Amino acid sequence: QMQLQESGPGLVKPSETLSLTCTVSGGSISSSSYYWDWIRQPPGKGLEWIGSIYYSGNTWYNPSLKSRLTISVDTSKNQFSLKLNSVTAADAALYYCARRRSTSSGGGWEVWGQGNLVTVSS
Amino acid sequence: DIVMTQSPDSLAVSLGERATINCKSSQSILYSSNNKNSLAWYQQKPGQPPKLLIYWASTRESGVPDRFSGSGSGTDFTFTISSLQAEDVAVYYCQQYYSIPYTFGQGTRLEIK
Repeated sequence: QMQLQESGPGLVKPSETLSLTCTVSGGSISSSSYYWDWIRQPPGKGLEWIGSIYYSGNTWYNPSLKSRLTISVDTSKNQFSLKLNSVTAADAALYYCARRRSTSSGGGWEVWGQGNLVTVSS
Repeated sequence: DIVMTQSPDSLAVSLGERATINCKSSQSILYSSNNKNSLAWYQQKPGQPPKLLIYWASTRESGVPDRFSGSGSGTDFTFTISSLQAEDVAVYYCQQYYSIPYTFGQGTRLEIK
């Protein structure tokens, strides 16, 4: 059974870079049927899609974050990563990684990590 | 961006009764390749990630009980729990996967009356 696990620091200083990694187990990140996404949720609030990556390295970003965002994949390690530059308090959230089906297959994020809580504070 | 608006924001329903949540998209999310609406519904319980319940607006994800259903087309969609169980207490979100950025409704908190 596929599992996703986020890892990274829980505390980031304002103006610095938030870096998270998602490790995929129980299956290959190189599957042609899926995309690998980051989604975040500020405490007590709703969900925001951050961006996606395909195993080939193609990326799609939320325009609201695009100027600060880099998502990358390492197929040899079965991992994908997120880097968000110049963070502010507004970036404090629970960051999830998730597997998404292609739209033609029904879309939707059907496998999720448990989330990595990131606090932004000096 | 496609704005997804859910109603109500919160809902209290008696055990065994029907719960209905509405979701409206700011534009059509009809996927032309198969004439289906690119809409999903998720359930999020406290301390857990969201769980996919419904996709294509009305297709239940594998393993999801049949008391959960979705309907609608165009820009107006409905999520229904036919007979509320205690374990259904959660926040429910609709989400469009028609265009980037993928967007969610604000969530509906469902409680037991």
